[in-house]
Amino acid sequence: ELKVEQNPLFLSMQEGKNYTIYCNYSTTSDRLYWYRQDPGKSLESLFVLLSNGAVKQEGRLMASLDTKARLSTLHITAAVHDLSATYFCAAPGNTGKLIFGQGTTLQVKP
Amino acid sequence: SAVISQKPSRDICQRGTSLTIQCQVDSQVTMMFWYRQQPGQSLTLIATANQGSEATYESGFVIDKFPISRPNLTFSTLTVSNMSPEDSSIYLCSARDRDSYEQYFGPGTRLTVT
Repeated sequence: ELKVEQNPLFLSMQEGKNYTIYCNYSTTSDRLYWYRQDPGKSLESLFVLLSNGAVKQEGRLMASLDTKARLSTLHITAAVHDLSATYFCAAPGNTGKLIFGQGTTLQVKP
Repeated sequence: SAVISQKPSRDICQRGTSLTIQCQVDSQVTMMFWYRQQPGQSLTLIATANQGSEATYESGFVIDKFPISRPNLTFSTLTVSNMSPEDSSIYLCSARDRDSYEQYFGPGTRLTVT
């Protein structure tokens, strides 16, 4: 059974700093999803990584995928307060259903 | 991209009653899913809604408690039956784009059971 684990679960950082969120998954998968959720809101799709070595960037966020290591990372560069949210990774299990990690709550302090 | 709407957006229900949540997608999609998100928690998949056939339920979820319909490629309903306070949660509809790997989420239905 596919398991997806994120760390850290909570991250408090100062504006301008860099940090990385890690997402490990337990069984082979050729793609990986990242979502953002603001309090009281639904999920916003950030990235879909479709192959080993895939790297995608949007603004201060960059995601990568290593299928051999079963690891994806979400790197935050020079964090700003607007990035404060909960970030989820998800991997597809059998039949394509998405299994989610626990979520990482990011708090960026001015 | 697919835009998903859900009704109702929120509801407060009494113990023992049932609530049906509707999910409408603005385009045909290959797959539709129902998730539950309890306060401060991650998303847990309830079931995959199959068009024209019975839904596929995940471990811990049963059809009698969460009957699901999917009469066509753009619409699905989830009923939460015989509710208890433990069913208080956000219920999210999700859909997979038929031409890509993108998976979208509806705005959610916030359910409170008293």
